[in-house]
Formats: sequence, structure tokens, C-alpha cells
Amino acid sequence: NAGVTQTPKFQVLKTGQSMTLQCAQDMNHEYMSWYRQDPGMGLRLIHYSVGAGITDQGEVPNGYNVSRSTTEDFPLRLLSAAPSQTSVYFCASSPTGQVTYEQYFGPGTRLTVT
Amino acid sequence: AQSVSQHNHHVILSEAASLELGCNYSYGGTVNLFWYVQYPGQHLQLLLKYFSGDPLVKGIKGFEAEFIKSKFSFNLRKPSVQWSDTAEYFCAVNAPFYNTDKLIFGTGTRLQVFP
Repeated sequence: NAGVTQTPKFQVLKTGQSMTLQCAQDMNHEYMSWYRQDPGMGLRLIHYSVGAGITDQGEVPNGYNVSRSTTEDFPLRLLSAAPSQTSVYFCASSPTGQVTYEQYFGPGTRLTVT
Repeated sequence: AQSVSQHNHHVILSEAASLELGCNYSYGGTVNLFWYVQYPGQHLQLLLKYFSGDPLVKGIKGFEAEFIKSKFSFNLRKPSVQWSDTAEYFCAVNAPFYNTDKLIFGTGTRLQVFP
């Protein structure tokens, strides 16, 4: 198993540009989530999904959209990038529809918005 | 507002010193508690977790944590640290009463261990 994969690893955007951060898992996990990691602020939950077709907002959802059309994929979309979205983004998954099981994290995407 | 607090932002120790990292949360009711670790350049990975039962939980690499309900705390301990323990440590809480599906992380503690 490849586990949780994320692409790209690095990305530089200009303010106002849009892009999609990809996340995929091959473990048939129902639960998937997106976090951003910022210095001194830890990991903050952006959006999560308890199964295909179901998504919900986390702590910091503004400026981000998600969809979950398949169990495997959970892309994160930035519609109009802002410098405040400069961060490291982590995708995670767990084997049930709840978060109480171990979260498996991807390697992260480092995004810079200029 | 409900939150998870890690008061030690940066800890510097020599090898063989004992470690205790604090974690406090403000959620009432039943909680599920986790410690994750992020070694330099690597993914976050689970160190240990507490759901119920014995409040003293043992994890990987000699780490343990104690759940003290009356203090809303879940502190991480290791009797003797090694250089390889240099990493960032995150406490995380799931509080089903508020939201079954959310895992909320603390701000993290950066641990540096010198030989």
C-alpha cells in the first residue's frame, strides 16, 4: 500500500490564482481530512469527510472547498489564493467513519502564496 | 471555546534527561486523547492514544501518558530521552459530545535533545 499520498509536494501561487491539492489513499478508509500547519499554531482542521459524498467544515474552512466523489480521493481547492493561505497542508485518513481510530497522514504540501 | 493547550512550546534537553510535556483540554464529558509525533522531514505518526480504561497509557519508543480527568490533562512522559527523540509533539483531542468526527490538535511542542 502507498498509504496517503499528496501532490504536489511544493507549490508557489500568485494571489488570486486557483489550484487543487490532491490527496489519495489506497487503504479503503472512510474518514479523510485536511489540516494546515502553521508555526506556533499547530494543526488546524480545514474540512473533513466521513465517507464518499459527505463533507463538513472544520475549524478554518474559509477560502477552501472540498468534495468526496470516491472513497479514495479528497481534493482541496483554493478558489482564489491569498497570502494568508501560505502554509503546509496535510491530508489524513482513518479506517472508519469516525476519527477515533489512528489517523494516517500524508507527506504534506508546502504552499506559498505571493 | 473548547481548546487544546500545550504550554511548552520549545523544550531543550540533554540525552538521558527525563521528559514531561503538558497537554490540557477544555472539553467536558468523554474524550479520546492522542499524542502524535513529527520527526524532522517525516509524516506525523501516532505515539499513543487513550479511549478508556487504565489512565496510564504506554506507546511506542518508551513513551507513556497519563490521563488525569480531574485536571483535564494528558501529559506525555519519557524517563530517559535520546537524541533520536528530537521532533515536534502534538496532543490531540476528540470530544464526541461536541463532535464525533473532529480531531483537534494543540499547537505543538518542539523538543530538541542534545548528545
